[in-house]
Amino acid sequence: GNSVTQMEGPVTLSEEAFLTINCTYTATGYPSLFWYVQYPGEGLQLLLKATKADDKGSNKGFEATYRKETTSFHLEKGSVQVSDSAVYFCALKIPNTGNQFYFGTGTSLTVIP
Amino acid sequence: KAGVTQTPRYLIKTRGQQVTLSCSPISGHRSVSWYQQTPGQGLQFLFEYFSETQRNKGNFPGRFSGRQFSNSRSEMNVSTLELGDSALYLCASSLGAGGPDTQYFGPGTRLTVL
Repeated sequence: GNSVTQMEGPVTLSEEAFLTINCTYTATGYPSLFWYVQYPGEGLQLLLKATKADDKGSNKGFEATYRKETTSFHLEKGSVQVSDSAVYFCALKIPNTGNQFYFGTGTSLTVIP
Repeated sequence: KAGVTQTPRYLIKTRGQQVTLSCSPISGHRSVSWYQQTPGQGLQFLFEYFSETQRNKGNFPGRFSGRQFSNSRSEMNVSTLELGDSALYLCASSLGAGGPDTQYFGPGTRLTVL
């Protein structure tokens, strides 16, 4: 079946620290991969995506590379800010199978000044 | 372009009642998906509608139903509410095309069942 596994949270970092949130997946077929972010009291916002192996998605200083050999899509940022405090969700979608997304359980990030 | 809107934002109901939630997708989007978000279960897929037809369905009981109108707006209905139905219900819209179709989420409806 299709599933996404994210590292357990919560994660607490000091401002300007390096961030990695691990995400691995299991999929039938060739998925597209996404990172979404949810700020308190809000819905999910697309952060970045990648659609094929070795693609790198990037946005707002965040990056993730689609690694087919390790079935991973780890999220990284070189220097986090307090405003990055949120919950981060890794997700996958199998193209041409309707529009069902499979989400990880989410990783809560708190950045302290 | 206006984003995905959901109404109402907050609802309080009692056990046994029913509830209807509404979602207006981004203009031009034909696919609407619904998700239930709870602290214990995370994000769980309920169903997806495309061109007024249910295209995908998650693993929820028949008390959860939905529909989509010709203007792509969607409603979700939960009958005979249970305490465990308390959750944030998220709606997401997309073009509905094949391939890496990105979903855009609304702010959600927070349902509390007493």
